[in-house]
Amino acid sequence: DVKVTQSSRYLVKRTGEKVFLECVQDMDHENMFWYRQDPGLGLRLIYFSYDVKMKEKGDIPEGYSVSREKKERFSLILESASTNQTSMYLCASSQPDDGQETQYFGPGTRLLVL
Amino acid sequence: DAKTTQPPSMDCAEGRAANLPCNHSTISGNEYVYWYRQIHSQGPQYIIHGLKNNETNEMASLIITEDRKSSTLILPHATLRDTAVYYCIALSYNFNKFYFGSGTKLNVKP
Repeated sequence: DVKVTQSSRYLVKRTGEKVFLECVQDMDHENMFWYRQDPGLGLRLIYFSYDVKMKEKGDIPEGYSVSREKKERFSLILESASTNQTSMYLCASSQPDDGQETQYFGPGTRLLVL
Repeated sequence: DAKTTQPPSMDCAEGRAANLPCNHSTISGNEYVYWYRQIHSQGPQYIIHGLKNNETNEMASLIITEDRKSSTLILPHATLRDTAVYYCIALSYNFNKFYFGSGTKLNVKP
């Protein structure tokens, strides 16, 4: 079974703090993703990566950066947390396969910025 | 990617089959139908996907109509733990277009 783990389930930070969210997958997947999920807005893609050291902006990259130094690990960084970044953050990984690409999600990190 | 339409909520008695419908009338030939579910405060869980043929795995069955404009996810013997929001997604090979939408809230009742 694919396993995607996230460093924290719940996190409370103060405005202006630098926040690191870590994601690790154990299936040697090429692609990794960071989403945020907010009520009424569904999942929105922040950044994704299709290879080590490669990254692409998603729909809402402002205020975020990412790092992928190793294939299994994809980090999301909030450079200076703000209250509007309070959200559920979800990491996913996938492996392209003949036109199919199933994404497997981690348990999520619920971040509260005060 | 094709838009999908699902009922906002459904009830099902424990032990009975839960049949969750999804309309995807604008689906194109290379778009797969994926189903995920999300139990409150957890990450989405992959259930099943298919292109044209019906599919079955240990969790569920997926029935896709011949014209591919709609599909049904079947949980053969629903349990209380199957209470969740179920999402139907029509997706082509384009990994930055994974749109979940509102889904169907399935309530399994004793």
